[in-house]
Amino acid sequence: ILNVEQSPQSLNVQEGDSTNFTCSFPSSNFYALHWYRWETAKSPEALFVMTLNGDEKKKGRISATLNTKEGYSYLYIKGSQPEDSATYLCAFPHYGGSQGNLIFGKGTKLSVKP
Amino acid sequence: DGGITQSPKYLFRKEGQNVTLSCEQNLNHDAMYWYRQDPGQGLRLIYYSQIVNDFQKGDIAEGYSVSREKKESFPLTVTSAQKNPTAFYLCASSITGAVISSYNEQFFGPGTRLTVL
Repeated sequence: ILNVEQSPQSLNVQEGDSTNFTCSFPSSNFYALHWYRWETAKSPEALFVMTLNGDEKKKGRISATLNTKEGYSYLYIKGSQPEDSATYLCAFPHYGGSQGNLIFGKGTKLSVKP
Repeated sequence: DGGITQSPKYLFRKEGQNVTLSCEQNLNHDAMYWYRQDPGQGLRLIYYSQIVNDFQKGDIAEGYSVSREKKESFPLTVTSAQKNPTAFYLCASSITGAVISSYNEQFFGPGTRLTVL
């Protein structure tokens, strides 16, 4: 059974703090690693889709790195703001037959206090 | 605006009833998915459809049924056989469900919260 682990489960930080969290995934048969942000009362939205070992992607104050050999990805938020409060999900495509379905981690819930 | 809509937002079901959750997309995506979220759990795949008139069971398909008669629509029926249907249900789509879909993000609807009374 494939497992995608995220840590920590939740994180409370002050506005202006920088923070990071981890996604661990199987290192074999790697295709891609997805990061999504899910704000309360909204739909999950894609942040990054990462495919290459050593890749680093950035969107504003949020960045992510990828290590496919050891099976982990880090998501960093620099200078957290209250609007960054959300649950951050990572997902790993799993292939049965020809379809690719995402296996989701349980998420890291980030709360940023003003 | 392009996107995914789900209705209703809240749904209440009596024991023994079947209910159908609607999911519509105007993104011209081939693939559509249904997920279930329970407290403390990651999103779990119920059913997915790679193309019109085709669908496959996901990890927790028991007690659910789907149809894909039109590209833009993928309704989910929660049957009375589903023993614990109270949950939050998310519909999603992606450009394709083929192998290359691993490189394509999924787009999500706003969800339906189903409660069994």
